[in-house]
Amino acid sequence: RKEVEQDPGPFNVPEGATVAFNCTYSNSASQSFFWYRQDCRKEPKLLMSVYSSGNEDGRFTAQLNRASQYISLLIRDSKLSDSATYLCVVNMGGMDSSYKLIFGSGTRLLVRP
Amino acid sequence: GAVVSQHPSWVICKSGTSVKIECRSLDFQATTMFWYRQFPKQSLMLMATSNEGSKATYEQGVEKDKFLINHASLTLSTLTVTSAHPEDSSFYICSATGTSGRRYMDTQYFGPGTRLTVL
Repeated sequence: RKEVEQDPGPFNVPEGATVAFNCTYSNSASQSFFWYRQDCRKEPKLLMSVYSSGNEDGRFTAQLNRASQYISLLIRDSKLSDSATYLCVVNMGGMDSSYKLIFGSGTRLLVRP
Repeated sequence: GAVVSQHPSWVICKSGTSVKIECRSLDFQATTMFWYRQFPKQSLMLMATSNEGSKATYEQGVEKDKFLINHASLTLSTLTVTSAHPEDSSFYICSATGTSGRRYMDTQYFGPGTRLTVL
């Protein structure tokens, strides 16, 4: 079983749609969680951290369910510029600076006009 | 803040040559740097973790004698791919974390990546 699993997609949605991505992780001792965005042939960029209480940043909402070891990302009112691959990332290490990130394989989103 | 640069952004070399890639943290002290490799349509795979002034810790299956890592300062780490072969062609990305002022950073910040093509 992969340490971080995501549906590879692609999710093909019209502009303005709401789309949700899911992710599961295997290590119950994982400390922190993130969603990154990666554009084609570019480096990953941090989209948002994910907290148990849930957090929202504009059109993006992330949720964490530690009991189910499940992370989600909701994108509302999709824009063409949201087209990218979304990476679910889990920190397997400690809370200091020497942690280890495990990346999911990514979910590809295509937003069409 | 939290800018990481990488050089070169792309390189093409002949089989058997060595290639050095530099990773720099521009506005923070990178106590830990990470090197990843990403093949087309695959996820990032961690190759090694390096703490400033210490030997790098390599992930299982990564040859330490082939991928030489040096992290001699708080702002610079280098990855040297020795005797590169076509199967080493990949997207190499570094990331860094550490301290900004007196605060630990809460995640890693990535360089723009280096695309290596070995002919």
